[in-house]
Amino acid sequence: DTAVSQTPKYLVTQMGNDKSIKCEQNLGHDTMYWYKQDSKKFLKIMFSYNNKELIINETVPNRFSPKSPDKAHLNLHINSLELGDSAVYFCASSLRTQRNEQFFGPGTRLTVL
Amino acid sequence: AQKITQTQPGMFVQEKEAVTLDCTYDTSDPSYGLFWYKQPSSGEMIFLIYQGSYDQQNATEGRYSLNFQKARKSANLVISASQLGDSAMYFCAMREGRTGANNLFFGTGTRLTVIP
Repeated sequence: DTAVSQTPKYLVTQMGNDKSIKCEQNLGHDTMYWYKQDSKKFLKIMFSYNNKELIINETVPNRFSPKSPDKAHLNLHINSLELGDSAVYFCASSLRTQRNEQFFGPGTRLTVL
Repeated sequence: AQKITQTQPGMFVQEKEAVTLDCTYDTSDPSYGLFWYKQPSSGEMIFLIYQGSYDQQNATEGRYSLNFQKARKSANLVISASQLGDSAMYFCAMREGRTGANNLFFGTGTRLTVIP
């Protein structure tokens, strides 16, 4: 009964490849997010998305694109992978309430060689 | 300017003692939420505690309490009766605005080590 799940947990790939990370939540939440955690453990928002609005952090390269087939899924597609994309990527979800507490997935460790 | 500042890269505490992890924030929005998350070595992000800007009382969740000082813009996490399993990275985060797809802004984290 995992709340927020991500696949794969580990992803090792070559520079220049295109890859996707999948995220699913079964909490009935209406908003999903992608965060990037760098090697120094700093977490930064990449995207937030609900069924009406996609908000993109302006610092995110356009090689990154979120794709949401339905409310329970927000996948992250990355084109032309670069060495600097190596990081841990976290998916999260929340319900639009006053608290708006976010629940995180287990993370996907991406290594670009 | 940084929205969330955690000035302690690392902290040590003796088992069974209490420890305070510092967090200061910067916002001009009157409505905001403050969160603490724990990240153990296994990597997952675990929600610990929430404090809303309009909440009159400090939040508590079991052994965790949040020392909210609005005028000083601080939201320190207090862990009482530390346990070995509390060893982890701790992140303070802030959401601005009332509701909606408001992103969390994270601090740089504090690595807590509990000594037996």
